Amino acid sequence: SAVISQKPSRDICQRGTSLTIQCQVDSQVTMMFWYRQQPGQSLTLIATANQGSEATYESGFVIDKFPISRPNLTFSTLTVSNMSPEDSSIYLCSVEAPARDRGYEQYFGPGTRLTVT
Amino acid sequence: GENVGLHLPTLSVQEGDNSIINCAYSNSASDYFIWYKQESGKGPQFIIDIRSNMDKRQGQRVTVLLNKTVKHLSLQIAATQPGDSAVYFCAENNNSTLTFGKGTMLLVSP
Repeated sequence: SAVISQKPSRDICQRGTSLTIQCQVDSQVTMMFWYRQQPGQSLTLIATANQGSEATYESGFVIDKFPISRPNLTFSTLTVSNMSPEDSSIYLCSVEAPARDRGYEQYFGPGTRLTVT
Repeated sequence: GENVGLHLPTLSVQEGDNSIINCAYSNSASDYFIWYKQESGKGPQFIIDIRSNMDKRQGQRVTVLLNKTVKHLSLQIAATQPGDSAVYFCAENNNSTLTFGKGTMLLVSP
């Protein structure tokens, strides 16, 4: 299993500013991911955070808007840049880690609730 | 906590009833599916999974059914309890990339 923490848990930010969200996992993992969950909606994958190389972004997400760092196997950051109210969402970190009886499983952090005013 | 289910379809049941939550998926090539439960203020949590070589899998109080012909999954919860109240998502797992379905909010009244 894996235990994931995120900082901050929530924030209210002004438009035009940037926020960096931290994700810490209690064990070394190869795969780390960042998701966005807009109000009342499902989760959408933003990118896969690769250790030692640039993140792999999904269609509709770009590095300039969502720069990601992955300095080691237990930590990653996601920055939401030049924020607008449309960026108000919950941002979730997840990792793929061994799960008893079923190989690997994705574990999710508690999320960071971002409100942009 | 955050209400992630504000605009989602809602299923309301009485405690003790059986619940059935449905999900349609999009990729006919997907071969691994997972149901997640998301409580208010928390990230999704694994409930049960199924691979495409099966059409039914049972866990503790939960059963997942897979119909590949119509690309449909269902989650059955037996003897639903107030603690089961949450938003439920199905997801397709393709090479560790998860594609989530729309989600259903389950409300259980005592």
